[in-house]
Amino acid sequence: EIVLTQSPGTVSLSPGERATLSCRASQIISSTYIAWYQQKPGQAPRLLIKGASSRATGIPDRFSGSGSGTDFTLTISRLEPEDFAMYHCQQFGSPPLTFGGGTKVEIK
Amino acid sequence: QVQLVQSGAEVRKPGSSLKVSCKASGGTFRSYAISWVRQAPGQGLEWLGGIILISGTANYAQKFQGRVTISTDETTITAYMELNNLRSEDTAVYFCATSPEFLFDAFDMWGQGTMVIVSS
Repeated sequence: EIVLTQSPGTVSLSPGERATLSCRASQIISSTYIAWYQQKPGQAPRLLIKGASSRATGIPDRFSGSGSGTDFTLTISRLEPEDFAMYHCQQFGSPPLTFGGGTKVEIK
Repeated sequence: QVQLVQSGAEVRKPGSSLKVSCKASGGTFRSYAISWVRQAPGQGLEWLGGIILISGTANYAQKFQGRVTISTDETTITAYMELNNLRSEDTAVYFCATSPEFLFDAFDMWGQGTMVIVSS
């Protein structure tokens, strides 16, 4: 099973700042099989990025993904008030599908 | 626009079974597969398994093998997740989610979640 470790667990930032979220896999995985989700309290996750860098429909371009091998990154270029939420990475290249523990982006 | 609508909250006793439904409504449904993902209170997301809609072929995470069954009703475009021998650790919100092209894929549409509490 591929274990995904997200860091930091929580990050405190101000609107307008840049957020850089990390997701490290326990083994090498193609970036094709990495996705990122945003989740707000009481809601289902929402797909942001698939294939490490392709934005899902309707996702603004301030969200971008990158990475390769075992290290992947979600970047939010300028935080908007609605971006403060939990973010999850996922791998779907090797069953069982697994998720990271999440990174909470909170308002500083 | 298609939405996934799940059944309501459930309370079960340890050792009992549970069946949650997920119905696609509101448009033309084109997804390839449906998976079930759960989230225990304050925890991350965990994949239980999924099913290919056109064939009915299911795949389960080894952790849940023998305890979970995922099925579909093509006529009503409804997916079901049955979990047996419930334990307190199964207390979680259970989500259904669709994959557009493959069983092992990112999830582009999610149900609203079903809260399940397992308690004596």
